[in-house]
Amino acid sequence: DTAVSQTPKYLVTQMGNDKSIKCEQNLGHDTMYWYKQDSKKFLKIMFSYNNKELIINETVPNRFSPKSPDKAHLNLHINSLELGDSAVYFCASSQEVGFSGYGYTFGSGTRLTVV
Amino acid sequence: AQTVTQSQPEMSVQEAETVTLSCTYDTSENNYYLFWYKQPPSRQMILVIRQEAYKQQNATENRFSVNFQKAAKSFSLKISDSQLGDTAMYFCAFAGANAGKSTFGDGTTLTVKP
Repeated sequence: DTAVSQTPKYLVTQMGNDKSIKCEQNLGHDTMYWYKQDSKKFLKIMFSYNNKELIINETVPNRFSPKSPDKAHLNLHINSLELGDSAVYFCASSQEVGFSGYGYTFGSGTRLTVV
Repeated sequence: AQTVTQSQPEMSVQEAETVTLSCTYDTSENNYYLFWYKQPPSRQMILVIRQEAYKQQNATENRFSVNFQKAAKSFSLKISDSQLGDTAMYFCAFAGANAGKSTFGDGTTLTVKP
């Protein structure tokens, strides 16, 4: 059983399109995150959610909109894709609300390429 | 804001030898957590080891151990008996006790040579 699963693993799309990435965790964790890893492999947090509540919203363009239908799912929708959005997007989860001291369990990442 | 610095962008080691990856961090908090994550070519991020700042004893997980120096704000990772499968990018990360998120360093690419 995959603990944190993301779909799709690869996504190639044209500029201006809208796309979504889905994430599901079966660990019973309280908090889920989206991180972006750019071409230099730098990891930056984008969002975190506890159940349906947005906890962290870093400086991210409005074109990115996370949605959490329940505690086990966190999706990322991106409107009007730009070349600079090309990156690997990681979903992660941690055990407790507002506390990441146990560390993260990551999904396998979604490589988004905008052409 | 907390910062995490990994000063070695790339390192290499011969198989079966020992290598140490460096990490320093900056924080005004007294209670926090530190981590090392491994990202092999498969892209999957894997938690390798975790250290609680209020514990003086250095964490150990099989061939992986840390040297945690709280006063110096240093958190290095030692890999003993390096194996080819240890080839990966290694990220140091910091989490404040109530921050609700982890901050990552820029990573060190480790190559284990046969």
